[in-house]
Amino acid sequence: SYELTQSPSVSVSPGQTASITCSGDNLGEKYISWYRQRPGQSPLLVLYQDVKRPSGIPERLSGSNSRNTATLTISGAETMDEAVYYCQAWHFNKVIFGGGTELTV
Amino acid sequence: QVQLQESGPGLMKPSETLSLTCTVSGGPLSTYYWSWLRQPAGKGLEWIGRIYINGNTKYNPSLKSRVTMSVDSSKNHFSLKLSSLTAADTAVYYCAREVCPTQGGFFESWGQGTLVTVSS
Repeated sequence: SYELTQSPSVSVSPGQTASITCSGDNLGEKYISWYRQRPGQSPLLVLYQDVKRPSGIPERLSGSNSRNTATLTISGAETMDEAVYYCQAWHFNKVIFGGGTELTV
Repeated sequence: QVQLQESGPGLMKPSETLSLTCTVSGGPLSTYYWSWLRQPAGKGLEWIGRIYINGNTKYNPSLKSRVTMSVDSSKNHFSLKLSSLTAADTAVYYCAREVCPTQGGFFESWGQGTLVTVSS
């Protein structure tokens, strides 16, 4: 079965750039979405169709997707960015989520 | 801005059938796909399935034999039934609105989630 693989955790200092990756076979051929989930909250869409930001999501969040890896990049990380981030894609009529990456700032 | 609110029992017994409803406000059910997802405590997200206003459904193959979804446009809500419950079905259940299903569908709006515990 198709899997999306994420590192369990990423840690950066405030102001640094955080890169959260999501890997899967030929992932670059799919659209990837990213969600942020803070403790006790519902997931929040932060990127869709690889690179697009919903209204209200700051420009310092950006994305890329090529070959087998999609990346969510958070520039100038802030403590408010601390959360678990999930990638998501469709694969043959099924939604797949990555296991989540916990970002510590 | 659309809002989604899940409702249903918080405690179920093994072998019972769970029924949850998601009430949508601030927008119509039409032109969108509506999904159920769940998340066991401390774990990741799992998609259960989705339904369109015309009743067309798509379910996660791993749950398909136990899942039924329905939609009631007159009440602006959609529902989930999950049968033959076990402790493994204990999770927070979310409803969500899916956008752009043919171009990398994604979930732009989520309910607050409802905890369902399966225990004898």
